[in-house]
Amino acid sequence: GAVVSQHPSRVICKSGTSVKIECRSLDFQATTMFWYRQFPKKSLMLMATSNEGSKATYEQGVEKDKFLINHASLTLSTLTVTSAHPEDSSFYICSATPGQVTDEQFFGPGTRLTVL
Amino acid sequence: DAKTTQPPSMDCAEGRAANLPCNHSTISGNEYVYWYRQIHSQGPQYIIHGLKNNETNEMASLIITEDRKSSTLILPHATLRDTAVYYCIVRKNQGGKLIFGQGTELSVKP
Repeated sequence: GAVVSQHPSRVICKSGTSVKIECRSLDFQATTMFWYRQFPKKSLMLMATSNEGSKATYEQGVEKDKFLINHASLTLSTLTVTSAHPEDSSFYICSATPGQVTDEQFFGPGTRLTVL
Repeated sequence: DAKTTQPPSMDCAEGRAANLPCNHSTISGNEYVYWYRQIHSQGPQYIIHGLKNNETNEMASLIITEDRKSSTLILPHATLRDTAVYYCIVRKNQGGKLIFGQGTELSVKP
């Protein structure tokens, strides 16, 4: 149980385009989902926290207009990287927590974004 | 959330116990110690967590000092598949954020 999936696992796009990454909790309802990014050889950096049906809370220094987060249902959150640039190339990881049952976070496998 | 300090890297022989230390000297009374690991190019995997008592599960044991200022994660019989970056995180209960430090890169060698 407690499986989180991400789609796509890898994406390559051109500068200026927008890319959407999906995060799904497959066997539980996630009241809260988190988005992280990770550069090569670096640790995970929390970008934002999203709660179902409300606006995401962004960490300091993360541009909310650049990284659009939508948590429209209890099993799906999306991260859209708008007008992507090469410096947005990174490994994006989501996590989800059931909330009521446990506040443990379950992580997705990550999405590798490369912007050309 | 309290900050943690871990050695950047460690080696361990296959089949031996791996003991990964973590310092969290500013931990407060309502903060738990969590351990996650990340195998290359995958999402982090939960290992274990504790408040003040030692904990054991099928993956590992967690030893927390009496003053709670440090802890040790023990993998009793390390295998090559345990090669990963191990993160020690201090987190408030009731859904506090997970803030990842730099972790310890554990290399298990044959």
